[in-house]
Amino acid sequence: AQKITQTQPGMFVQEKEAVTLDCTYDTSDPSYGLFWYKQPSSGEMIFLIYQGSYDQQNATEGRYSLNFQKARKSANLVISASQLGDSAMYFCAMREGNAGGTSYGKLTFGQGTILTVHP
Amino acid sequence: DAGVTQSPTHLIKTRGQHVTLRCSPISGHKSVSWYQQVLGQGPQFIFQYYEKEERGRGNFPDRFSARQFPNYSSELNVNALLLGDSALYLCASSFLTGMGEKLFFGSGTQLSVL
Repeated sequence: AQKITQTQPGMFVQEKEAVTLDCTYDTSDPSYGLFWYKQPSSGEMIFLIYQGSYDQQNATEGRYSLNFQKARKSANLVISASQLGDSAMYFCAMREGNAGGTSYGKLTFGQGTILTVHP
Repeated sequence: DAGVTQSPTHLIKTRGQHVTLRCSPISGHKSVSWYQQVLGQGPQFIFQYYEKEERGRGNFPDRFSARQFPNYSSELNVNALLLGDSALYLCASSFLTGMGEKLFFGSGTQLSVL
């Protein structure tokens, strides 16, 4: 079974509007972390946001927020006020186990969603 | 501070050759991970090193090996290259904060095997 599922191969959004990128995950480990990365055509993976499984509040980083629904095992990324520079591939990823434990630095990635922002 | 740096940025090899890719983590980061990203897919975990010890290994053949040096930089070695090894190889360094783990990637090495 896929551990990370991103069901939207491509998404389109108008500049200045908000967009939600979907991510569902599968794990039996009570301790895990969820990450979102942006990968522009240059290839670099840019860290956007992190959510720990025990975090009570949804994570936010500037225009990025993570809609964490633990019971549904979903961790959707919300980008507010989209900009042309947001056009890129977006990856959801998960680390199972405790941060700093044996799974330190080991992420499982989804297939990605290509976001295109229209002017 | 400099981010994660990788060298070279691009590399062309032929089947059967070996290759060494290099990575310098962000200053102060002691953990380095390697990932392979085939075109059109998400990155796949290859290795993780912490304090110069291998802490994790993904589902890759023994042709892949790595090491971490006392200054925390790292090398990924691939022997007997196959066409299927053509990919973007990403290095990441990570550290723990009070909010959990943060993992930062370099720009990658694009390896083409002909």
